[in-house]
Amino acid sequence: QKEVEQDPGPLSVPEGAIVSLNCTYSNSAFQYFMWYRQYSRKGPELLMYTYSSGNKEDGRFTAQVDKSSKYISLFIRDSQPSDSATYLCAMSGGVKAAGNKLTFGGGTRVLVKP
Amino acid sequence: NAGVTQTPKFQVLKTGQSMTLQCAQDMNHEYMSWYRQDPGMGLRLIHYSVGAGITDQGEVPNGYNVSRSTTEDFPLRLLSAAPSQTSVYFCASSYSWQGGSTEAFFGQGTRLTVV
Repeated sequence: QKEVEQDPGPLSVPEGAIVSLNCTYSNSAFQYFMWYRQYSRKGPELLMYTYSSGNKEDGRFTAQVDKSSKYISLFIRDSQPSDSATYLCAMSGGVKAAGNKLTFGGGTRVLVKP
Repeated sequence: NAGVTQTPKFQVLKTGQSMTLQCAQDMNHEYMSWYRQDPGMGLRLIHYSVGAGITDQGEVPNGYNVSRSTTEDFPLRLLSAAPSQTSVYFCASSYSWQGGSTEAFFGQGTRLTVV
């Protein structure tokens, strides 16, 4: 069983809809939770970063972490065609000696249709 | 603004050949890592380094070697290429922080096919 599970999609939504993405994980040592966005044939780029449980909002993006349920979510409001990409959740225990090792979910492909 | 630079972008190898994937960063980051990305598998850590002269294995290290002689460079060597190593390889760098995890900056990737 993978440490981090993520539905691969694809998730197709009309422009302006809310996109809802989530990941579940099994390792209770994870403390840092990230969402990376990856456009086709490009490297991942950090979208959201959250420490421990709680919510974080940045423009149209909201990240939620529920450590008690080992469940994290990303919501994209007013989705745009430019949001079409693969979204990867990533987690880390954050220990300095661990070299910032990240454990990734498999990624969810999102398609926003005009 | 170079960031993390990977070369080559594409490569086709024959089974048994060896090669080195290059990675360089100009942000003076202590941490560097190599990941491979396969369909539906996300990114999996191959090797990582916490500073010049210090490397360690990740989740899928077999068949790969690394070394880190400078802060800037972190090459990945395939010793004897196998079809199972067909993948997209990403190099990442990040700064160290006592407080915990930090943003990883990724290169554009190297698409490797082993035939």
